[in-house]
Amino acid sequence: EDQVTQSPEALRLQEGESSSLNCSYTVSGLRGLFWYRQDPGKGPEFLFTLYSAGEEKEKERLKATLTKKESFLHITAPKPEDSATYLCAVPYSGGGADGLTFGKGTHLIIQP
Amino acid sequence: ETGVTQTPRHLVMGMTNKKSLKCEQHLGHNAMYWYKQSAKKPLELMFVYNFKEQTENNSVPSRFSPECPNSSHLFLHLHTLQPEDSALYLCASSHSGTGSETQYFGPGTRLLVL
Repeated sequence: EDQVTQSPEALRLQEGESSSLNCSYTVSGLRGLFWYRQDPGKGPEFLFTLYSAGEEKEKERLKATLTKKESFLHITAPKPEDSATYLCAVPYSGGGADGLTFGKGTHLIIQP
Repeated sequence: ETGVTQTPRHLVMGMTNKKSLKCEQHLGHNAMYWYKQSAKKPLELMFVYNFKEQTENNSVPSRFSPECPNSSHLFLHLHTLQPEDSALYLCASSHSGTGSETQYFGPGTRLLVL
């Protein structure tokens, strides 16, 4: 059974204090790993897709990396507007299924 | 309209009511999805439609009935719901539902069942 575990569940940082969020996964044959950002009361907003170990992608203050067992979302010098819940997901590894398995997310708060 | 839209954004219903949630995607995609997001739980896949054909029903109770009349529209018909069905219902779409494609989400419908 596919499993996605995110840590920490919650993280409070001061503005400018860099940190990393972790997403560990267990799937039989990774077909991609997705990062989303979700603001309260809104739908998830797509950030990155990573397909192979060693791959990295960046967008503004965010950088996502992937290994064979986990992915990290690095946040450099965060600002209060980066406060959100960050979700990690992988495609179902079962044949014929087209959905995503999500982790519970990391609730990030950036204090000014 | 752009992206994925959902209506209504908020819905309160009694356990004996019948209501429908609507989703429309303006991205030219061929696959659409319903997810349920409950407090303290990860998003759960409910249904998948690929080229208007249902390809996944993730053991969802029959009180939830999906309908996909075309590749741009998706409905979720609700009847005799339970209070534990209160949640944020999210619609998503992707190009062709191969699983490894990016899914784009709508804003969700916040449902409260009394």
